Amino acid sequence: NAGVTQTPKFRVLKTGQSMTLLCAQDMNHEYMYWYRQDPGMGLRLIHYSVGEGTTAKGEVPDGYNVSRLKKQNFLLGLESAAPSQTSVYFCASSWRPAGLTDTQYFGPGTRLTVL
Amino acid sequence: AQSVSQHNHHVILSEAASLELGCNYSYGGTVNLFWYVQYPGQHLQLLLKYFSGDPLVKGIKGFEAEFIKSKFSFNLRKPSVQWSDTAEYFCAVTNNAGNMLTFGGGTRLMVKP
Repeated sequence: NAGVTQTPKFRVLKTGQSMTLLCAQDMNHEYMYWYRQDPGMGLRLIHYSVGEGTTAKGEVPDGYNVSRLKKQNFLLGLESAAPSQTSVYFCASSWRPAGLTDTQYFGPGTRLTVL
Repeated sequence: AQSVSQHNHHVILSEAASLELGCNYSYGGTVNLFWYVQYPGQHLQLLLKYFSGDPLVKGIKGFEAEFIKSKFSFNLRKPSVQWSDTAEYFCAVTNNAGNMLTFGGGTRLMVKP
């Protein structure tokens, strides 16, 4: 049981490049979330999913797209990376909605730098 | 929209000192409140939560928090900190719909041995 895993752990991009971050969970959770963490700003929700095939916008969705084709995977895409997207990205998953559960599992994070 | 403020960005304490980290939120309705901790190099873990009932909640590792509805606050406390409490602490809030957690900016705590 690996919990929540994220790929890759580190990445450096040039402005305008694209990439996809992969989040995988093996706990059969319905809910999955992508956050970004910036100094002094805590975690901000980018997008989330309440089940396979569903996605919804969070607090800071601009510049990102997501897909949940399989229940266990939640992909975060950057079509044209910008320096403002330099951040640490965390994925999380849970049985029930984020605010109604005490067991939201976080991944180890992906540190992305956009030059 | 709801928001969360953590006024202490950095706190430095000596071991055995008492800790209180402030958290204030803005939301007019019923809220659920959380404190998360992120130890160096690790991901977020839940410290404690408040959904309803006794406004004084106890969490793991000797932490507790008090929900004061009239002050829109949910401050985190620990009577005697240890070096191992060095971490970043995040307050978070959600409304009853529960789909989205809103986090505060975090408080970085350093405990000197």
